[in-house]
Amino acid sequence: AQSVAQPEDQVNVAEGNPLTVKCTYSVSGNPYLFWYVQYPNRGLQFLLKYITGDNLVKGSYGFEAEFNKSQTSFHLKKPSALVSDSALYFCAVRERSNYQLIWGAGTKLIIKP
Amino acid sequence: GAGVSQSPSNKVTEKGKDVELRCDPISGHTALYWYRQSLGQGLEFLIYFQGNSAPDKSGLPSDRFSAERTGGSVSTLTIQRTQQEDSAVYLCASSLVRVANTGELFFGEGSRLTVL
Repeated sequence: AQSVAQPEDQVNVAEGNPLTVKCTYSVSGNPYLFWYVQYPNRGLQFLLKYITGDNLVKGSYGFEAEFNKSQTSFHLKKPSALVSDSALYFCAVRERSNYQLIWGAGTKLIIKP
Repeated sequence: GAGVSQSPSNKVTEKGKDVELRCDPISGHTALYWYRQSLGQGLEFLIYFQGNSAPDKSGLPSDRFSAERTGGSVSTLTIQRTQQEDSAVYLCASSLVRVANTGELFFGEGSRLTVL
């Protein structure tokens, strides 16, 4: 069955430190990969996507994600965390021939001053 | 408008009542999704509309749930005879759909439904 896993319910990082939010997937073919962020009491916002090409994708707010085909992973990263990065982060995957997104359960990121 | 608009932002209702939630997508977006997000949970797909095609209703949890999209634009999600387990945030998203589309979804801020 197709699935997306975000193995950590919560990630705690000190401000200024690098952060990583993990995502692995089990989807056939060469899917499109996405990260979305949800700030408290807000809808989801698109952060970045991987379609093809370079494995390192850069997105909004200084975030980037690294696609690893052999490990079927798409981890979200940021070199230096800000308190304002605290939010809920969702990984999503879509087969190229399908409109449906498969969503991870989300990871709560807490950045402490 | 500039973004996806949802109303009401908050709705408190009594068990057994019907509710309607509205979504106004970004102008020109032909794809529209409804999701449900329970407290601290991920997104549960409910229904997908694309242009004039028959909607994908495979995610609707029961026959108390229905949705329509009039004129390819505004969508209404209706929950009949609400139950306490229907309490959640209902999110609407829209997207452009083109050949080889890779576009992201644009989400509204959601309608928070509380069933007492």
